[in-house]
Amino acid sequence: ILNVEQSPQSLHVQEGDSTNFTCSFPSSNFYALHWYRWETAKSPEALFVMTLNGDEKKKGRISATLNTKEGYSYLYIKGSQPEDSATYLCAFRSTASKLTFGTGTRLQVTL
Amino acid sequence: NAGVTQTPKFQVLKTGQSMTLQCAQDMNHEYMSWYRQDPGMGLRLIHYSVGAGITDQGEVPNGYNVSRSTTEDFPLRLLSAAPSQTSVYFCASSYDGRRNTEAFFGQGTRLTVV
Repeated sequence: ILNVEQSPQSLHVQEGDSTNFTCSFPSSNFYALHWYRWETAKSPEALFVMTLNGDEKKKGRISATLNTKEGYSYLYIKGSQPEDSATYLCAFRSTASKLTFGTGTRLQVTL
Repeated sequence: NAGVTQTPKFQVLKTGQSMTLQCAQDMNHEYMSWYRQDPGMGLRLIHYSVGAGITDQGEVPNGYNVSRSTTEDFPLRLLSAAPSQTSVYFCASSYDGRRNTEAFFGQGTRLTVV
């Protein structure tokens, strides 16, 4: 069973704060790394799919970096807004067909 | 375009009953998977399929069967429900196995076994 760890488990920030979370995954047999955003009562939606060491992806105020050699990825949110409140999941792919998910980081942004 | 559709959204079963969770996608995706979500745990892979007629076991397959007779449908069968199968079940699909392919999820089925 592959070990994918996310930290912190939960985070509570004020509107306007910038924040970041970590995803750790095995540094061998890397195929791809996914980030998903999961709002309560909805289904997870893909934010980024990262495939190359050193990859940096950005979507609005959210960005992610990838280090496959040391087995970690960071997700950054700049200027958090209440609508950013969600659980952020990372998922590691060592093969084409399987995703192994972390337990997620639950972000709460308050006014 | 409906994406990934799961039915039912909620279900209560008695121990020992059987049922099928339905999953359908209209995006012509080759890959489909079933996950379960339990408190404090990540999404865990139950079974997956890389195309019609091809299925394989994931991390937690015991007590579940799947089949993939068409590209669109990937039903999950509980043979004899147990309280340990109380969970939220998600179906997901992706276009293929290329590195940059993302997964699309259904809305989930909340199953309670009493």
